[in-house]
Amino acid sequence: EVQLVESGGGLVQPGRSLRLSCTGSGFNFGDFGMSWFRQAPGKGLEWLGLIRNNVYGGTPDYAASVKDRFTFSRDDSNRVAYLQMNSLKTEDTAIYYCARDIRLQVDYWGPGTLVAVST
Amino acid sequence: DVVMTQSPLSLPVTLGQPASISCRSSQGLVYSDGNIYLSWFHQRPGQSPRRLIYKVSYRDSGVPERFSGSGSGTDFTLKISRVEADDVGVYYCMQGTHWPPYTFGQGTKLEIK
Repeated sequence: EVQLVESGGGLVQPGRSLRLSCTGSGFNFGDFGMSWFRQAPGKGLEWLGLIRNNVYGGTPDYAASVKDRFTFSRDDSNRVAYLQMNSLKTEDTAIYYCARDIRLQVDYWGPGTLVAVST
Repeated sequence: DVVMTQSPLSLPVTLGQPASISCRSSQGLVYSDGNIYLSWFHQRPGQSPRRLIYKVSYRDSGVPERFSGSGSGTDFTLKISRVEADDVGVYYCMQGTHWPPYTFGQGTKLEIK
């Protein structure tokens, strides 16, 4: 069974950093890209970016809204993808999801982790 | 970016009755390989999205046959033949054809009358 689990969320002050993890199981982690999304309270879904699998160079692509502050990486040996978030703003408050990316589509999502940016 | 517009945004439905959600894209969604990368997701309250339909009309494993997707060009539809209590939540369409970025419709909230 394919499973993704995010972790690392919490309460953080504006301007600080946070790193989220996404651990996969039930599939060959290294064969897939991983997309990240977020959902602000009561709002819709926003794509943040993608880290490709190593066949495609393991390179990232970022949404314009987070390009200068967020960084994706991955550790295939431990089946984990990371989202490093810097200079956090109150408007970054959201549930953050990772989802398995299969080239122009995503299928399985994790349950999400809540990030609250507040003083 | 491609804009996805769903309607209606709120959908009260009687149990056992059909439901239909429309999704329109601001650009055609046929990719260079001939596929249309249009998916439908269902998000129950407090849960993450679950994919129901991919490439317009293919049902994911475990998705009941009550759910069907159709469409072409810029107009797409998700239909539920007979609504059950478990179907409540928000439905989103998402396009991948013009990635990056993935873009979603605003969401349609289905509730039981």
